[in-house]
Amino acid sequence: DIQMTQSPSSLSASVGDRVTITCRASQSIRTYLNWYQHRPGKAPKLLIYAASTLQSGVPSRFTGSGSGTDFTLTISSLQAEDFATYFCQQSYTSPWTFGQGTKVEIK
Amino acid sequence: QVQLVQSGAEVKKPGASVKVSCKPSGYTFTGHYMHWVRQAPGQGLEWMGWINPNSGDTNYAQKFQGRVTMTRDMSINTGYMELTSLKSDDTAVYYCARDVGYSGTYYIFDYWGQGTLVTVSS
Repeated sequence: DIQMTQSPSSLSASVGDRVTITCRASQSIRTYLNWYQHRPGKAPKLLIYAASTLQSGVPSRFTGSGSGTDFTLTISSLQAEDFATYFCQQSYTSPWTFGQGTKVEIK
Repeated sequence: QVQLVQSGAEVKKPGASVKVSCKPSGYTFTGHYMHWVRQAPGQGLEWMGWINPNSGDTNYAQKFQGRVTMTRDMSINTGYMELTSLKSDDTAVYYCARDVGYSGTYYIFDYWGQGTLVTVSS
């Protein structure tokens, strides 16, 4: 199975901060990497797919980059509604695996 | 708008079975594969399998083969996930999720249900 490792597991930030989350795959997954946001009590939400394509309706402050084994999700200017858990997922090969999540908390 | 509404929380004893429902709205039920994903306490998300609501075809993760059954009822546009022989480590929040692909699967999940907590305890 492909292991997806996210870092950090949590971070504290303020509104307006630039935030970067990393996801590393245990083998190359080309650009078959997706990012989701999960707010408590809400359904998870797709943010970015194919490593860098913004899902329709997602604010442009979210960007994704990377290929192969190393990927990054960046929030350019953190907003109050962005405090949530973010997780990556590879859609390259079965079983389709997820990162452990990165919790973004208010500083 | 697209929504997936799941059934409510369940408490089950070890060895029992649980059946969770997922009722989508806002799109053609048969047009998108439905996946099931779970998250145990303190753990990451784990993909369990998919069902093609149009054909009824299924594909399960090897870990759950023999214990999981995904079905659908086209008359009420609802999908189901049944897990049998429950153990304490099956305690988790179970999610249904729609695949972005139309009549195919990309394993990208664009809409999710709100989750159903299944607690397995004696």
